[in-house]
Amino acid sequence: DQQVKQNSPSLSVQEGRISILNCDYTNSMFDYFLWYKKYPAEGPTFLISISSIKDKNEDGRFTVFLNKSAKHLSLHIVPSQPGDSAVYFCAAENNAGGTSYGKLTFGQGTILTVHP
Amino acid sequence: GAGVSQSPSNKVTEKGKDVELRCDPISGHTALYWYRQRLGQGLEFLIYFQGNSAPDKSGLPSDRFSAERTGESVSTLTIQRTQQEDSAVYLCASSLEIYTDTQYFGPGTRLTVL
Repeated sequence: DQQVKQNSPSLSVQEGRISILNCDYTNSMFDYFLWYKKYPAEGPTFLISISSIKDKNEDGRFTVFLNKSAKHLSLHIVPSQPGDSAVYFCAAENNAGGTSYGKLTFGQGTILTVHP
Repeated sequence: GAGVSQSPSNKVTEKGKDVELRCDPISGHTALYWYRQRLGQGLEFLIYFQGNSAPDKSGLPSDRFSAERTGESVSTLTIQRTQQEDSAVYLCASSLEIYTDTQYFGPGTRLTVL
C-alpha cells in the first residue's frame, strides 16, 4: 500500500523556468511533510518541510504548497538551475501528539532534469 | 564536520550468505534510522534507534533481518541467509533527537544478491 505517491517518474525543465514536483498521500494522519533531494551515489538531503497547520512554506527558490483537503503537496523551484537536477523525494510523517519517532514514509521519487 | 558514513559502499553476495552493513552516524545524534530503497521504489522504513534501543522492529521485512546499535554510535544491520529480493540500497540516517528533527542520510550501501 503506497501511502505517498509521486506519479511523475521524471520531469524536464529549461533553465530559468519553474519546476513543479507533485506528491499525493492517502493517510489523513500525516501531519508533517518533507522534500528531500538526492544526487547519484549520495544519500538524500533535506530540502524543505511543511507542517499541516500551514499551506505554504518558502525558502529561497523553493516553495512547498500543501492542500490538505486534496491530500496533495507540491514543490516549486523558481528559477530552476542545472544544479537542481537530481531525484526529489517527498516524505510524510504522523507526528500527532508527539508520538512520532521520525518514521518517514517516502514517495518513489521524481527525476528532475534542468537543461541549460 | 563529518556526516553519516556507511560501509561497505557496495556489497555483492551469493544467495544464502549473511551480510553485515555498518552505519556511523553524526557524533552526538541520539536517533538513528535504517531505510532501504529497492529499484524504482521509494525509501522503505526498516527500524529506528533511540540511543541503543530499538523500540519498534515491526518494519523489518523478515526475521532474517536484525539490527543493533552500541555506544549510542555505530549501528549494524545484519541480513541472514540473503535472498535475491534483499537486493537494494540500504540507507542509514541520524538526527539529533527522535522527533521532527532533520534526518541526515549516509550515501547508502548497495547490496546485490546473486
